[in-house]
Amino acid sequence: NAGVTQTPKFHILKIGQSMTLQCTQDMNHNYMYWYRQDPGMGLKLIYYSVGAGITDKGEVPNGYNVSRSTTEDFPLRLELAAPSQTSVYFCASSPDGTISYNEQFFGPGTRLTVL
Amino acid sequence: GDSVTQMEGPVTLSEEAFLTINCTYTATGYPSLFWYVQYPGEGLQLLLKATKADDKGSNKGFEATYRKETTSFHLEKGSVQVSDSAVYFCALRANKNYGGSQGNLIFGKGTKLSVKP
Repeated sequence: NAGVTQTPKFHILKIGQSMTLQCTQDMNHNYMYWYRQDPGMGLKLIYYSVGAGITDKGEVPNGYNVSRSTTEDFPLRLELAAPSQTSVYFCASSPDGTISYNEQFFGPGTRLTVL
Repeated sequence: GDSVTQMEGPVTLSEEAFLTINCTYTATGYPSLFWYVQYPGEGLQLLLKATKADDKGSNKGFEATYRKETTSFHLEKGSVQVSDSAVYFCALRANKNYGGSQGNLIFGKGTKLSVKP
């Protein structure tokens, strides 16, 4: 049981390039989330999904896209990367997200630098 | 909207000192409250949680009590160790009956703790 895995761990991207951050979970969770963590700040929600085929915007969605074709995978796509997207990105999953006391399980993060 | 405020860091303590990290929240209804810990170079791990007023969450010697009257969830540990050095995040998750259908966590900014031997 690997939990939540993310790839890559580190990446440097040039301004205007695109890339996809991968996230996979093996706990059969319906709810999945993408957060970004900027220095000295808490995590901000980018996108979330309540199940395969269903996604929605979070607090800071601009410049990102997601898809959820399977329960296990929830990739995050950066289009036309900008320096403001330099951050650490965390993927998380949870059993029923409508139950407030359910734990969210986090991946190890992807540290992305846009130059 | 919902929000979490926690004390600014960094906090530097000597080994075996007493730790308090303050956390207060603003939320509609009755959220669940969490403390997550992030060790250097790692993702976030759940440290403890509480789901209703007066609940006490505890784990690894850390404790926090859900105080609805003061909207607080302060983290405490009686005797810190060097291995406790990490960033600690207070977070809430809204109750679905109060608009919490997304199920996402609302985080504080984090408090960095350094424990010296």
